[in-house]
Amino acid sequence: NAGVMQNPRHLVRRRGQEARLRCSPMKGHSHVYWYRQLPEEGLKFMVYLQKENIIDESGMPKERFSAEFPKEGPSILRIQQVVRGDSAAYFCASSQWQPSTGELFFGEGSRLTVL
Amino acid sequence: GQQVMQIPQYQHVQEGEDFTTYCNSSTTLSNIQWYKQRPGGHPVFLIQLVKSGEVKKQKRLTFQFGEAKKNSSLHITATQTTDVGTYFCAGDYGGSQGNLIFGKGTKLSVKP
Repeated sequence: NAGVMQNPRHLVRRRGQEARLRCSPMKGHSHVYWYRQLPEEGLKFMVYLQKENIIDESGMPKERFSAEFPKEGPSILRIQQVVRGDSAAYFCASSQWQPSTGELFFGEGSRLTVL
Repeated sequence: GQQVMQIPQYQHVQEGEDFTTYCNSSTTLSNIQWYKQRPGGHPVFLIQLVKSGEVKKQKRLTFQFGEAKKNSSLHITATQTTDVGTYFCAGDYGGSQGNLIFGKGTKLSVKP
């Protein structure tokens, strides 16, 4: 049973370009979460999605960031017009139910570097 | 807002020494989870604590949840080099959002 799959693992972008990060949850999981981690920092919640719905986006910056989890295909975290401060590791996690009833399974992360 | 404080930020120990990391919330938690992240890796679930005063053990690891469900601790007895990594607590405040609030983590280094 494949775990949470994230790609790309590493992404380099120049300022002003767009970054698209993809996440395929574990089989049977319908809850997807995106977290951002700066070097030597903790995990900061960004957004929680279920299929075709954004449940909680309270951690998402108001501009340039968007996320979706379509009926078919992976969840996408999109960052438009990237800036140096967007450089971070972006982790996707999935769960079968809400985390209050079980663990989050994390992917390997996508490490974004903005030049 | 909801915030989970974790201390210490760093801990350096000699192999064989014990290690403890503490987590504290200003408001009552529904439950708390602990994760370990190896250097360059991703967080891996260790345990979930739900009940007030709960204590759970996993070999050399002991997890506690406070009576008021506002604090938690992870204690490792006789550390080994394989324990190296960052340990995160993650608090769930309940509600419909279902997202976890992570502490900043305690980075453990073990000197052989």
